[in-house]
Amino acid sequence: EIQLVESGGDLVQPGGSLRLSCAASGFTFSTSWMSWLRQAPGKGLEWVANIRHDGSRSYYLDSVKGRFAVSRDNAKNSLYLQMNSLRVEDTAVYYCAKGGPGAYWGQGTLVTVSS
Amino acid sequence: DIVMTQTPLYSPVTLGQPASISCRSSQSLVHSDGNTYLSWLHQRPGQPPRLLIYQISTRFSGVPDRFSGSGAGTDFTLKISRVEAEDVGVYYCTQTTEFPYAFGQGTKLDIK
Repeated sequence: EIQLVESGGDLVQPGGSLRLSCAASGFTFSTSWMSWLRQAPGKGLEWVANIRHDGSRSYYLDSVKGRFAVSRDNAKNSLYLQMNSLRVEDTAVYYCAKGGPGAYWGQGTLVTVSS
Repeated sequence: DIVMTQTPLYSPVTLGQPASISCRSSQSLVHSDGNTYLSWLHQRPGQPPRLLIYQISTRFSGVPDRFSGSGAGTDFTLKISRVEAEDVGVYYCTQTTEFPYAFGQGTKLDIK
């Protein structure tokens, strides 16, 4: 059974940093592209970033470029999202997903950016 | 960037009746490999989205056959032949043909 479990969400002040993690199991992580997506409270879905299976290339939403960095450790079957210079508008539930926004999502972790 | 536009944004439906949601993209979703990466997702409150349809019309494993997808190029439709109580929630179309991936605004389906 494919499982994705996010962690690391917290309350952080504007300008602060946070690192999210996603533990993957039930599939061959090292051959899978991975995504981060988010959903602000009461709002729709938004794609944030993707990373190739080997970590050689990543893609970002314009509004997070230069502030967020996606990475992975294939030996640990783990995906990460380093978030710096956080803004109030980054407040959301963050999901990791296998591939694109498709069949396999985690349950999400809440990031709240507020003073 | 590709913009996805869904209509309607709210759809009250009687149990057992059909429902239809439209999704239009600002440019063609045909990938250079010839496939069209348009999917439909369903989300219930407090839960992550669930994949219903991918590549326009292919139902994901376990999805009831009352759900169907159609369309081509820039215009796509999700149809539910007979709405059941468990179908309430928000439906999203999404394109994964090119980065940045994009979602429609979501269509809330409710029972009258």
